[in-house]
Amino acid sequence: KQEVTQIPAALSVPEGENLVLNCSFTDSAIYNLQWFRQDPGKGLTSLLLIQSSQREQTSGRLNASLDKSSGRSTLYIAASQPGDSATYLCAVRNTDKLIFGTGTRLQVFP
Amino acid sequence: NAGVMQNPRHLVRRRGQEARLRCSPMKGHSHVYWYRQLPEEGLKFMVYLQKENIIDESGMPKERFSAEFPKEGPSILRIQQVVRGDSAAYFCASSPSPGETQYFGPGTRLLVL
Repeated sequence: KQEVTQIPAALSVPEGENLVLNCSFTDSAIYNLQWFRQDPGKGLTSLLLIQSSQREQTSGRLNASLDKSSGRSTLYIAASQPGDSATYLCAVRNTDKLIFGTGTRLQVFP
Repeated sequence: NAGVMQNPRHLVRRRGQEARLRCSPMKGHSHVYWYRQLPEEGLKFMVYLQKENIIDESGMPKERFSAEFPKEGPSILRIQQVVRGDSAAYFCASSPSPGETQYFGPGTRLLVL
């Protein structure tokens, strides 16, 4: 059974820091891995999707890497801003469904 | 291109009533997924549908819950005889094909009194 874990559960940093959020999964037989952002009381915004054959994806200040063999992904946020404050979720795709981690709650203060 | 739409955004029901949650996928998307987020828990998969077909309902409780995605109109998640434990945020996502990015709607927050 696939299990997805995210570390840390919460993170509070000053503006400008570079951040690394971690995601690990127990079954390496995945189709892809997706990182999302969730703001309080809101839906999910897709940030990056990495196919199982890829090693990383980049979008602006965000970079996500995938090491399928070790069951790990990291989301790197450069030069963090208060607007980055949200819960970050990773999800792996097994067949047709996404299996989510419990998230990292990020707070960036000015 | 409008995103995934869900309505209502908030729904209050008393125990024993029925709840109907609607999801309109993005234009051109024929794959719909429902997820549930219980308070202080992660999102859990419930059901995956294509037009007129349920593909995978392995995450949906066997009783009181049903889902459909008719040829015309939105996908419906129906909860009969709601109980307090059904209180949660229900999210719908859509994709153009199974391997592509899933785009999520804003969710329906169900509160059972």
